[in-house]
Amino acid sequence: GENVEQHPSTLSVQEGDSAVIKCTYSDSASNYFPWYKQELGKGPQLIIDIRSNVGEKKDQRIAVTLNKTAKHFSLHITETQPEDSAVYFCAASREGLTGGGNKLTFGTGTQLKVEL
Amino acid sequence: DAGVIQSPRHEVTEMGQEVTLRCKPISGHDYLFWYRQTMMRGLELLIYFNNNVPIDDSGMPEDRFSAKMPNASFSTLKIQPSEPRDSAVYFCASSFNRGGYGYTFGSGTRLTVV
Repeated sequence: GENVEQHPSTLSVQEGDSAVIKCTYSDSASNYFPWYKQELGKGPQLIIDIRSNVGEKKDQRIAVTLNKTAKHFSLHITETQPEDSAVYFCAASREGLTGGGNKLTFGTGTQLKVEL
Repeated sequence: DAGVIQSPRHEVTEMGQEVTLRCKPISGHDYLFWYRQTMMRGLELLIYFNNNVPIDDSGMPEDRFSAKMPNASFSTLKIQPSEPRDSAVYFCASSFNRGGYGYTFGSGTRLTVV
């Protein structure tokens, strides 16, 4: 089955700096890679996703890059703000392929703290 | 849409008691997932349904856990008997068609077994 590794487990940055979270996956058939943000006391919320036919995707201060050859993808947050403080999860799945169903495999999470 | 609705938000029960967690997915979503979240193990997929049919329950830890989805708008996760090690936050999530549309998670049920 798929295995997703995520680093770092904790990340502390100064407000205004950039933050980068990295994930690797094991299943070369995985083709869909979402990122979730989980705030305290809430469920994870989808913030951005990327498919394997795209190398990079941006949405305002958030961007995700994908390297299929190396099987890794990253989340980049620029101009960080205190409200970016949360736990971030990467995930991978085999969208539309048999055997993988609709199942997302999650990374272990990164606790991001943005300090004033 | 009100999103994925889970109840109760918090549950405290004594060891050995039966616990039932409830979930109402987003209308029109055809996949429903139950996850358990702990500090030690992160997010673990317990079971998921497609069109109300269980597809993969390999993550259900023991026979003490069972899940049902009697119709498209309701699912339950039952633990009987409960044990202290079952203490965790249990999330329900739903999605449409295939995973490429992302999951929508509920707010979770924090279960404490004493």
